Amino acid sequence: SYVLTQPPSVSVAPGQTARITCGGNNIGSKSVHWYQQKPGQAPVLVVYDDSDRPSGIPERFSGSNSGNTATLTISRVEAGDEADYYCQLWDSNSDHVIFGGGTKLTVL
Amino acid sequence: QVQLQESGPGLVKPSQTLSLTCTVSGGSISSGGYFWSWIRQHPGKGLEWIGYIYYSGSTYYSPSLKSRVTISVDTSKNQFSLKLRSVTAADTAVYYCARTGTVTGNFDYWGQGTLVTVSS
Repeated sequence: SYVLTQPPSVSVAPGQTARITCGGNNIGSKSVHWYQQKPGQAPVLVVYDDSDRPSGIPERFSGSNSGNTATLTISRVEAGDEADYYCQLWDSNSDHVIFGGGTKLTVL
Repeated sequence: QVQLQESGPGLVKPSQTLSLTCTVSGGSISSGGYFWSWIRQHPGKGLEWIGYIYYSGSTYYSPSLKSRVTISVDTSKNQFSLKLRSVTAADTAVYYCARTGTVTGNFDYWGQGTLVTVSS
């Protein structure tokens, strides 16, 4: 089955840029979605279809996807961005949903 | 604005069946264009997709849970439900319902989640 690999943790200072990766075999050929989850809350979609943002999500959140890696980029990181981030895709071969293991973003 | 709300027992005994219902408001399950999903999250762990259903009744389940899961839909009540049989402590988790685009495959609306504990 298809596997998505994320780093367990990423740390960044306020005002800097955070990059969270999601690795998968030829992931660039698939649509990747990203979720932010803060403690005790449901996940929130922050990027869909590799690089689109839902209404209400700041432009600081962006995404890219090529080759074997998809990346969520958070520019000008704020303390409020501290959360767990998950990548996800829909494997059309099996009609199954796949989640990455999640990355904890720490704002130093 | 679409809203989803999970409901059901917060405590289930081992070997019994976990049953949850998700009530959808602000949109009709019957309108099509979306799958209606269940996702769970073990304490301190990541997200695990359980399965989803289309309003027509077509279902897709995670291979790891397929033998124990049934998802059903009641369009008259605008609800869909999860049944997980023969539960063990390993099924203790927060269970979320969510809406999934059939084209995009992403989860754009989520319920708040409900903690289900499996314990005698």
